[in-house]
Amino acid sequence: LAKTTQPISMDSYEGQEVNITCSHNNIATNDYITWYQQFPSQGPRFIIQGYKTKVTNEVASLFIPADRKSSTLSLPRVSLSDTAVYYCLVGDSPTNQAGTALIFGKGTTLSVSS
Amino acid sequence: GAVVSQHPSRVICKSGTSVKIECRSLDFQATTMFWYRQFPKQSLMLMATSNEGSKATYEQGVEKDKFLINHASLTLSTLTVTSAHPEDSSFYICSARGQGLSSGNTIYFGEGSWLTVV
Repeated sequence: LAKTTQPISMDSYEGQEVNITCSHNNIATNDYITWYQQFPSQGPRFIIQGYKTKVTNEVASLFIPADRKSSTLSLPRVSLSDTAVYYCLVGDSPTNQAGTALIFGKGTTLSVSS
Repeated sequence: GAVVSQHPSRVICKSGTSVKIECRSLDFQATTMFWYRQFPKQSLMLMATSNEGSKATYEQGVEKDKFLINHASLTLSTLTVTSAHPEDSSFYICSARGQGLSSGNTIYFGEGSWLTVV
């Protein structure tokens, strides 16, 4: 399973754009990149998933360069409620119904201040 | 809304007793579920993979006789912590891969269950 490396922590202010970069040099051809958000005492919550190029949904964008050895989660105009731990994971294709488990790294603790 | 539900959300038990945590997939069938443990300010650690109708696969270092996993149906997996000790106190989280949901096929996590052993 591909190992991921993220910054341990990041600080931001309300209204700013936050970009969290994740390195996954050993990503496999069939691996997808998925980001989760976790608040204290809650299970991780799916944010976004992608394979290559750019993916955007209502809460975030995910940028993946052509070599797929890294990815960047972009959170536009963060608010205090975006303070959480963000995990970058690589794993099986979504169509792999059984699939292997997601292995979590240390994640990035994002602190948003007013 | 949640697609994977855990119960109970919090439980306190006495040392030496057993406690069961349930994980249910809502509106979809999950042939495989995963159990994680998370200590305060640490990341999630995979404990085992729960397979419907067969034995669970445990990660290295996880005692299968202590953490009993049963996946008797396509929507329910249970984790039983037997002969609990204070060091078993932790946040336990299950997950399952959703299929055919409007949000796509990805892994969803339960809300987590806090276990405190006194």
